[in-house]
Amino acid sequence: KAGVTQTPRYLIKTRGQQVTLSCSPISGHRSVSWYQQTPGQGLQFLFEYFSETQRNKGNFPGRFSGRQFSNSRSEMNVSTLELGDSALYLCASSLAPMAGAEQFFGPGTRLTVL
Amino acid sequence: AQSVTQLGSHVSVSEGALVLLRCNYSSSVPPYLFWYVQYPNQGLQLLLKYTSAATLVKGINGFEAEFKKSETSFHLTKPSAHMSDAAEYFCAVINTNAGKSTFGDGTTLTVKP
Repeated sequence: KAGVTQTPRYLIKTRGQQVTLSCSPISGHRSVSWYQQTPGQGLQFLFEYFSETQRNKGNFPGRFSGRQFSNSRSEMNVSTLELGDSALYLCASSLAPMAGAEQFFGPGTRLTVL
Repeated sequence: AQSVTQLGSHVSVSEGALVLLRCNYSSSVPPYLFWYVQYPNQGLQLLLKYTSAATLVKGINGFEAEFKKSETSFHLTKPSAHMSDAAEYFCAVINTNAGKSTFGDGTTLTVKP
């Protein structure tokens, strides 16, 4: 069974631009969660989608948004990029909503904002 | 609110020695607790999880952790370190009511030959 895939793996953008990251969950998984990982802040929860609905959201500004499609694939969008948005963005999928369900992580998308 | 504290951002052990990575948590509701491992340039891999069943949880690669409610701890151990265990380890708590996860800052494990 294929694992969680994230595209692209690496991305370089400049301040003020916007970016869209994609995550394809494991087949049959309906929950997708997004995390931001930085050396300074560690791993921080962005949001979780289940059956195309956002279930939970972390403490991030409205510039960070996401969506989930009917095939469970998810996209995350960051508008008006700032230098501080440089990070590894991880996606995780699970069969059921995250609470108690084992999450499987993708390799991440490394975003660099110049 | 919930939080996770991993004591020691860096831990170094010799090959064959005991590995002990410490994690303390706070949660207003009975928590689910997890340990993940992350190798360079990779995502996180689940080592083990506690979801209110047995307090001693066995995971992959010979790791185990014990949930101690009185100490609000969930320390990760492995009797004998292997070079391949060198990685970063994260402890995480999930609030089963709110469905939000909180990760610790991570502990980098170095294994010396």
